[in-house]
Amino acid sequence: NAGVTQTPKFQVLKTGQSMTLQCAQDMNHNSMYWYRQDPGMGLRLIYYSASEGTTDKGEVPNGYNVSRLNKREFSLRLESAAPSQTSVYFCASSDVGGADQYFGPGTRLLVL
Amino acid sequence: QKEVEQNSGPLSVPEGAIASLNCTYSDRGSQSFFWYRQYSGKSPELIMFIYSNGDKEDGRFTAQLNKASQYVSLLIRDSQPSDSATYLCAVSNTGNQFYFGTGTSLTVIP
Repeated sequence: NAGVTQTPKFQVLKTGQSMTLQCAQDMNHNSMYWYRQDPGMGLRLIYYSASEGTTDKGEVPNGYNVSRLNKREFSLRLESAAPSQTSVYFCASSDVGGADQYFGPGTRLLVL
Repeated sequence: QKEVEQNSGPLSVPEGAIASLNCTYSDRGSQSFFWYRQYSGKSPELIMFIYSNGDKEDGRFTAQLNKASQYVSLLIRDSQPSDSATYLCAVSNTGNQFYFGTGTSLTVIP
């Protein structure tokens, strides 16, 4: 039982490049989330998916797109990376209601 | 703009003492309140959640909620060096949108 897994662990991009961050959970959770964490800013919700087939914007969605591929997988795409997107990205999952959010190990992204 | 405010610290307490962590929030519609612990370079992990006014105890941890004052706190009794971490307060009004504070850094001195 791996919980929540994320790939890659670390990535360096040049401005304007695109990439997809992958997230998968094996806990049969309905809800999945993408956050970014920046020094002094705390965790901020980018997008969430309350259930398979649905996605909704969070607090800071601009510059990102998401796909809930199936119940297990929730990906985050940066179409044209910008230095302001340099951050640590966490994926999380939970049952309905979100009481117990389980976080993945994070992806450290550097955009030059 | 929904705000969750925490004193960034650092907060230092001697081993065996009580650590008190505080959090205030701006959205009166908030229904659920959470405390997460995050070790340096690691992901957050849930410690406790509380929905109703009053205290909720789990082992050495006690969460306290006062909705009228828009205030939630976490007490850690018999603090241990392994409790040294950043503690994140989070609130939610819908169950899906969570707003996190910037965290309080706690150091427990042996």
